[in-house]
Amino acid sequence: QSALTQPPSVSGSPGQSVTISCTGTSSDVASYDRVAWFQQSPGTAPKLIIYEVSNRPSGVPNRFSGSKSGNTASLTISGLQAEDEADYYCSSYRRSSTFNVIFGGGTKLAVL
Amino acid sequence: QVHLQQSGPGLVKPSETLSLTCAISGDSVSSNSAAWYWIRQSPSRGLEWLGRTYYRSKWYNQYAVSVMSRITINPDTSKNQFSLQLRSVTPEDTAVYYCVRDASWGLEALDIWGQGTMVTVSS
Repeated sequence: QSALTQPPSVSGSPGQSVTISCTGTSSDVASYDRVAWFQQSPGTAPKLIIYEVSNRPSGVPNRFSGSKSGNTASLTISGLQAEDEADYYCSSYRRSSTFNVIFGGGTKLAVL
Repeated sequence: QVHLQQSGPGLVKPSETLSLTCAISGDSVSSNSAAWYWIRQSPSRGLEWLGRTYYRSKWYNQYAVSVMSRITINPDTSKNQFSLQLRSVTPEDTAVYYCVRDASWGLEALDIWGQGTMVTVSS
């Protein structure tokens, strides 16, 4: 069981928008803006697409956006494209006795 | 352009030590603004942060509680690389291991990943 909760799968048609949720607790998502999102295609390493809840690294299309409300962070992909089909993971800093980064279990996005 | 190149064996026997190295190009392991992580991924445990090393006037290492008694991460400034040693491995340590850069300091924006090394623990 992963520390952050994500839906196992979501789907959408090309051109549509989808939102992936990432639910944590008061020790992580709710208390810190240190949430990131990663995209992973089969056989490749995860790729950073969002950091600090809503910031995009250089080169990431603005179709990808992030937000947070309470203990739930969200990734929204607008104008879905076939190439967006991948697994998506969230991460967050978690307050504990030592430094700790936790991840969600991942969401498989299918572009129908 | 920053690149991380991993090396190390893909097969380790139970009870032995898993050793991986991550060579850095385009940045410095001694950077005062970056941190260098090891993260692994398996079907049973998902993505799991193992530890990190960073330099802020002196070297710091931090480890996940789940592996703290078995792990060592060492920077090597002469070769601009850092390494992972995980002792007393079991089949549960079978995973893809990644070295990763965090250039954001305090935001965990893990922006550069190595290519990954599939490590199988088996006799």
